[in-house]
Amino acid sequence: GDSVTQMEGPVTLSEEAFLTINCTYTATGYPSLFWYVQYPGEGLQLLLKATKADDKGSNKGFEATYRKETTSFHLEKGSVQVSDSAVYFCALSNTGKLIFGQGTTLQVKP
Amino acid sequence: DAMVIQNPRYQVTQFGKPVTLSCSQTLNHNVMYWYQQKSSQAPKLLFHYYDKDFNNEADTPDNFQSRRPNTSFCFLDIRSPGLGDAAMYLCATSSRGWETQETQYFGPGTRLLVL
Repeated sequence: GDSVTQMEGPVTLSEEAFLTINCTYTATGYPSLFWYVQYPGEGLQLLLKATKADDKGSNKGFEATYRKETTSFHLEKGSVQVSDSAVYFCALSNTGKLIFGQGTTLQVKP
Repeated sequence: DAMVIQNPRYQVTQFGKPVTLSCSQTLNHNVMYWYQQKSSQAPKLLFHYYDKDFNNEADTPDNFQSRRPNTSFCFLDIRSPGLGDAAMYLCATSSRGWETQETQYFGPGTRLLVL
């Protein structure tokens, strides 16, 4: 069945460092891909999405490119802030059901 | 702003005492979902409504029920909460059909504590 694998956390970075969170997926057909962010004690917020191969989703300085050849959707940000500290979930939707990765905790230190 | 609202944000109940969590949306979306999220885990889909059609996940315990009286509101009923049901409960919505891979928009969640 469909699945999503994320790099394990926690990821600890200093402020202004470059961020990469790896995400790979297994799916039949052409799923849509998403990154959601969850701040402590809150629900999930959509960060960005891509619906077809080579699409780049971007929001708030975060970017991810839908790579069908490598079945990946890695999240990147050029300069992280303390306020980016949160849990990041990669997810795919193929039949309407969201399939989540296990989540990656990001801690950004001043 | 259009949004997904969950009340209450925190709910404390006693072991075995029925509890109801509520969700409302101003997005006028067809589909509403309920997820359970335990600590340090990804959300787990319990069920969803496509308009008035109820769709239960195969592994959702019978203890969990849901009602959707109209487009805007959806309720999660836990008939006899156990200690293992303590979790964050997330409501989400999406537009159009279940098959269209539409984006799901989440509410802030209700954290349930079972004593």
